[in-house]
Amino acid sequence: ILNVEQSPQSLHVQEGDSTNFTCSFPSSNFYALHWYRWETAKSPEALFVMTLNGDEKKKGRISATLNTKEGYSYLYIKGSQPEDSATYLCAPARGGATNKLIFGTGTLLAVQP
Amino acid sequence: KAGVTQTPRYLIKTRGQQVTLSCSPISGHRSVSWYQQTPGQGLQFLFEYFSETQRNKGNFPGRFSGRQFSNSRSEMNVSTLELGDSALYLCASSMPDRVYEQYFGPGTRLTVT
Repeated sequence: ILNVEQSPQSLHVQEGDSTNFTCSFPSSNFYALHWYRWETAKSPEALFVMTLNGDEKKKGRISATLNTKEGYSYLYIKGSQPEDSATYLCAPARGGATNKLIFGTGTLLAVQP
Repeated sequence: KAGVTQTPRYLIKTRGQQVTLSCSPISGHRSVSWYQQTPGQGLQFLFEYFSETQRNKGNFPGRFSGRQFSNSRSEMNVSTLELGDSALYLCASSMPDRVYEQYFGPGTRLTVT
């Protein structure tokens, strides 16, 4: 069983604060890591998929890094805005190109104006 | 391009009944995955279908089953419903050559009383 841990479980920040979350996963047989954003009453939306150790991806104010050797990924949000409020999920996939994603329980971010 | 659609959006059933949920993937997507989301458990992988065949399966009892039709639409069936089956059921679809990019539907909220 792939044990995926995300921390913190929840985070309350003020508008303009920068923040980061952690996703930890077993590094053996790693294939890819996905980050999703899930806003209330909407569908999960893919943010990034990363496959290589040292990968860094950026989308606007959000960026992510990947360390496959030690089994972790960081998601950073610079200058948080209220519209960033959502649950951020990471999902590593194990070896082989399959769709079997194992999701962490997520980090709930609340950005107060 | 239309997104992933799921029907019904909300459903109330009684213990012991069975239920069928439907998922229509994005046009051209041949892979459909199903997930269960319950409070505190996060998104749990149920199964994945590709070209009408179950390709991956999660750790759920045999009461949970699915199938995929030739037009890639998928159904999920839960027999002998239990109170613990109350959850949000999400399906996701992807292209055959981009299996790690999953697009989620809005989900079906199932309540078992």
